Amino acid sequence: EDKVVQSPLSLVVHEGDTVTLNCSYEVTNFRSLLWYKQEKKAPTFLFMLTSSGIEKKSGRLSSILDKKELFSILNITATQTGDSAVYLCAGNTQGGSEKLVFGKGTKLTVNP
Amino acid sequence: NAGVTQTPKFRILKIGQSMTLQCTQDMNHNYMYWYRQDPGMGLKLIYYSVGAGITDKGEVPNGYNVSRSTTEDFPLRLELAAPSQTSVYFCASSQGGVSEAFFGQGTRLTVV
Repeated sequence: EDKVVQSPLSLVVHEGDTVTLNCSYEVTNFRSLLWYKQEKKAPTFLFMLTSSGIEKKSGRLSSILDKKELFSILNITATQTGDSAVYLCAGNTQGGSEKLVFGKGTKLTVNP
Repeated sequence: NAGVTQTPKFRILKIGQSMTLQCTQDMNHNYMYWYRQDPGMGLKLIYYSVGAGITDKGEVPNGYNVSRSTTEDFPLRLELAAPSQTSVYFCASSQGGVSEAFFGQGTRLTVV
């Protein structure tokens, strides 16, 4: 059974802190790993990772994939209150039954 | 740009009633998904479709049915609503391959 596990489930930090969110996966016919940010409504796309060791960056957010150890991390530096959200990680399978399998998410709270 | 559109946004059902959650996308995506999200949890896959005329069960299909008669539409049917189906439902679509999934704004369903 495909499985994506995120840790921690919940995290409270102060503005300016740096956080690291973890995602491990066991996904059949793995194609890619995706990170989403979910505030009050629908998840919004952050990153897609397909190759090991290549960091993707967008402003204060960055992410990297390790296909040998089957995990990914999402880093957020100099956190702001607007970063408060649930961060979801998903494994994308390939082949005839392509689908996205999500973890439970990490709820990040950034306090002023 | 409409993207993925879900209707209704909110609905209250009585136990045993039935309803259809509508989802349509205008991006000509082959892949479409239905997820449910319970409070404090990640997204659980209910059903998915890799193209018109093809559907498959996800992780939690019991109590639901889908159809995919066109590329654009992927309705989700609840035949006999139960309190356990109280949740937020998200529809998503994807081009497939190495591409992200786009989400609708969600339907908040309460069964009383």
